[in-house]
Amino acid sequence: GIQVEQSPPDLILQEGANSTLRCNFSDSVNNLQWFHQNPWGQLINLFYIPSGTKQNGRLSATTVATERYSLLYISSSQTTDSGVYFCAGGAYSGAGSYQLTFGKGTKLSVIP
Amino acid sequence: GAGVSQSPRYKVAKRGQDVALRCDPISGHVSLFWYQQALGQGPEFLTYFQNEAQLDKSGLPSDRFFAERPEGSVSTLKIQRTQQEDSAVYLCASSKTSGANVLTFGAGSRLTVL
Repeated sequence: GIQVEQSPPDLILQEGANSTLRCNFSDSVNNLQWFHQNPWGQLINLFYIPSGTKQNGRLSATTVATERYSLLYISSSQTTDSGVYFCAGGAYSGAGSYQLTFGKGTKLSVIP
Repeated sequence: GAGVSQSPRYKVAKRGQDVALRCDPISGHVSLFWYQQALGQGPEFLTYFQNEAQLDKSGLPSDRFFAERPEGSVSTLKIQRTQQEDSAVYLCASSKTSGANVLTFGAGSRLTVL
């Protein structure tokens, strides 16, 4: 199956700083999503981005499918951005399977 | 409903007991997924439903795990004869169309097996 690697595993930022999180995947994917898991465990979908670039407020994401990676940019970080960021990738197998494989996540701590 | 609802939020079971975890997806969502998340890890795929059909159950760790979605809406994940290694958060997600486009997750059910 697809392997998903995320870096860095941990990141500490001063409030207001910018950061880039990276996700590499081992094989071609036609589905790539970024999630934020808050300290209470809720997973929030940030982006569905199998290719190209999207922006939503202070967050943006870019996926370069041909090179098998995706980046999540956080600008002007706030304490509420703290939590774990996951990327998840998958490819339709043709047998009715739509598995998404998650990476191990990047744990972000934003300090005031 | 407005979001994906899971119950119970917390469940403590003695080793050997059976448990049932419920997922109420967003109304009208075709696809439903179950994931298992161990502490400090990313979610791992368990099974996928398209309406009432279970199209992929390759992630279920053993035959003690069983999932159903009989009417294509509410789903139940059942774990028989629970073991300590079953302790985890069980996450349910749904998406509007077939496949995993824009998954919306529930808050999860945290299972602790003593």
